Amino acid sequence: SAVISQKPSRDICQRGTSLTIQCQVDSQVTMMFWYRQQPGQSLTLIATANQGSEATYESGFVIDKFPISRPNLTFSTLTVSNMSPEDSSIYLCSVGQVSSGANVLTFGAGSRLTVL
Amino acid sequence: GQQVMQIPQYQHVQEGEDFTTYCNSSTTLSNIHWYKQRPGGHPVFLIQLVKSGEVKKQKRLTFQFGEAKKNSSLHITATQTTDVGTYFCAGSPIGTDKLIFGTGTRLQVFP
Repeated sequence: SAVISQKPSRDICQRGTSLTIQCQVDSQVTMMFWYRQQPGQSLTLIATANQGSEATYESGFVIDKFPISRPNLTFSTLTVSNMSPEDSSIYLCSVGQVSSGANVLTFGAGSRLTVL
Repeated sequence: GQQVMQIPQYQHVQEGEDFTTYCNSSTTLSNIHWYKQRPGGHPVFLIQLVKSGEVKKQKRLTFQFGEAKKNSSLHITATQTTDVGTYFCAGSPIGTDKLIFGTGTRLQVFP
């Protein structure tokens, strides 16, 4: 399965600032997703990162707040803009691949953001 | 919106006891996945079920997909301390590639 490098692994940010999270995959993948996981909670899909076109956002998430880039099939970024304490969370990059007949999601290690 | 609920939210068992988590979707799914997340880690894929009524086994783990493709279960026989973690089901609504994750069940195993 794909190996995903995600950075930063963690950061402490000030209210009102923005932070960009990078996701690098060791192979070309078609499907790439960004999830958010608040402490002790489940994973919520933010958006599907589409190569060469605008990301597809889920209900409750907008491009102005979470701009996403996907310049090629191995790389994507998620920016958390104008952060507030409510944005404190783990942000996870994931890729979808077919493995042994199953569509498998592989996750990066995540980026733990704390907003003060 | 589409929701995937899991029960129980938490389960504490003595090592050697069995454990089951149940997953229910508000909509029909094309497939169901199960993931395990160890404390401090990220979710790791366990299995995918596609067919109505499908049952799959991985050693002590048994996975089942409901006949209506709206529910699923994971059963662990004779739990071990290495089974500790949060188990998530995740389903793809028909016609989409995205996965909607369930609320998760956190399993704690006491030696």
